[in-house]
Amino acid sequence: GAGVSQSPSNKVTEKGKDVELRCDPISGHTALYWYRQRLGQGLEFLIYFQGNSAPDKSGLPSDRFSAERTGESVSTLTIQRTQQEDSAVYLCASTQTRFAEGEQFFGPGTRLTVL
Amino acid sequence: QKEVEQDPGPLSVPEGAIVSLNCTYSNSAFQYFMWYRQYSRKGPELLMYTYSSGNKEDGRFTAQVDKSSKYISLFIRDSQPSDSATYLCAMSEGAGGTSYGKLTFGQGTILTVHP
Repeated sequence: GAGVSQSPSNKVTEKGKDVELRCDPISGHTALYWYRQRLGQGLEFLIYFQGNSAPDKSGLPSDRFSAERTGESVSTLTIQRTQQEDSAVYLCASTQTRFAEGEQFFGPGTRLTVL
Repeated sequence: QKEVEQDPGPLSVPEGAIVSLNCTYSNSAFQYFMWYRQYSRKGPELLMYTYSSGNKEDGRFTAQVDKSSKYISLFIRDSQPSDSATYLCAMSEGAGGTSYGKLTFGQGTILTVHP
């Protein structure tokens, strides 16, 4: 079956522009996570969705970052007025269980470069 | 101080060597311990998943968790060139509370196994 997919795979943008990153989780997975991976670093948690609700947004770095999920499926991470420090790989993961004691399946990520 | 510390390496070993990768952590609430493997420009994939203290073996891989020392290890026996990747430790508080299963990652160790 299909895994987690993300689009675009690469995004180059100019400082100050808005970007939207998309995640398609595995069908039937109710929990969805966004992480950010800066060059040479581990993954940092951004936001968690259970269904279409986001009970934990504690990792979003600033109010320029927002995310939504619709139909308990696709999620979009939006970064407004991008800054150079936003350059990173943005990874999405999904899992079947409510509190993710199970495996989180990761997508290939979107590599964002802000010039 | 980071919640999870992992030596970034890089680590270079000859084919057939035993590899030892380690992480230390400070959050005593972590209950679930994972090792992910990440190939270049790919998303992380789960290698080992352990609950609480103890050892777990899967083929050439052995994961150890020592909660009293807040220390986890991954051993790779008979290492192969195909094992060359970045290895990330990850931890979770699991169900309950407000952690919602989010993962806290180490920085990742870059491993190269040369023929």
